[in-house]
Amino acid sequence: NAGVTQTPKFRVLKTGQSMTLLCAQDMNHEYMYWYRQDPGMGLRLIHYSVGEGTTAKGEVPDGYNVSRLKKQNFLLGLESAAPSQTSVYFCASTPGGLGGANVLSFGAGSRLTVL
Amino acid sequence: DQQVKQNSPSLSVQEGRISILNCDYTNSMFDYFLWYKKYPAEGPTFLISISSIKDKNEDGRFTVFLNKSAKHLSLHIVPSQPGDSAVYFCAASAQTGANNLFFGTGTRLTVIP
Repeated sequence: NAGVTQTPKFRVLKTGQSMTLLCAQDMNHEYMYWYRQDPGMGLRLIHYSVGEGTTAKGEVPDGYNVSRLKKQNFLLGLESAAPSQTSVYFCASTPGGLGGANVLSFGAGSRLTVL
Repeated sequence: DQQVKQNSPSLSVQEGRISILNCDYTNSMFDYFLWYKKYPAEGPTFLISISSIKDKNEDGRFTVFLNKSAKHLSLHIVPSQPGDSAVYFCAASAQTGANNLFFGTGTRLTVIP
C-alpha cells in the first residue's frame, strides 16, 4: 500500500501560470482534503471532499479549485498562481464517518514556489 | 485568529528525560483533540488522541492530558528518544469530522543523545 501519494513534490511557477497538484490514495477512503502549511501557521484547510463527485470549501479556498472525479483521486488546481500561494501543500484522506474520522493519513507534501 | 496555539516553537530535551509539549485552544466547543508528528520531507502522522470526556489517554511512551477548564492539553513523552525528534502538531475539532479540524503551529522537539 502506497497510502497517499502527491505529485509533483516540487514545482516552481511564474505569477499567472496555472498548475494542478494530484493526490491519489489507495486505501478506499471516502474523505479527502487539501491543506496548506505556511511558516508560523498551522495547517489550513483549502478544500475537501466527502465522496466521489463532491467538493466543499475549507478555511482558505480562494484562488484554488478542486475536483474529485474518481474516489481515489483529488486534484487541486491553481488557475492563476500568485506569490501568496507559495506554500507546502498536503493532501490527506480519512475513511470518514464516526470514529477515527479525524485521523488523517497525509501525503508527503508538495512544495510550490510562485515567483 | 488562531484557535489552537502552540506557544513554544521549539524544545530540546536530553535522551531518557521527559518531553512535555503544550497546546492551548480558545474554542470551548472543541471536543476532540489529536497530536500529529512530522519528520522532514514527510507528511504528518497521527500519534495519539483524546476526547473531551476523558482527561488522560496513554499509548506506550506517549500520554496526552486534557484540562478542559484551562482549555489546555499537553503531550508527555517518557522516556524521550532521539527518534522522537520531529515537529509535533496539536489539532482540535468541534465534532467528529476532519473538515473542521484546526491545527496549531507546531513545536519542534529535539532529543539530544
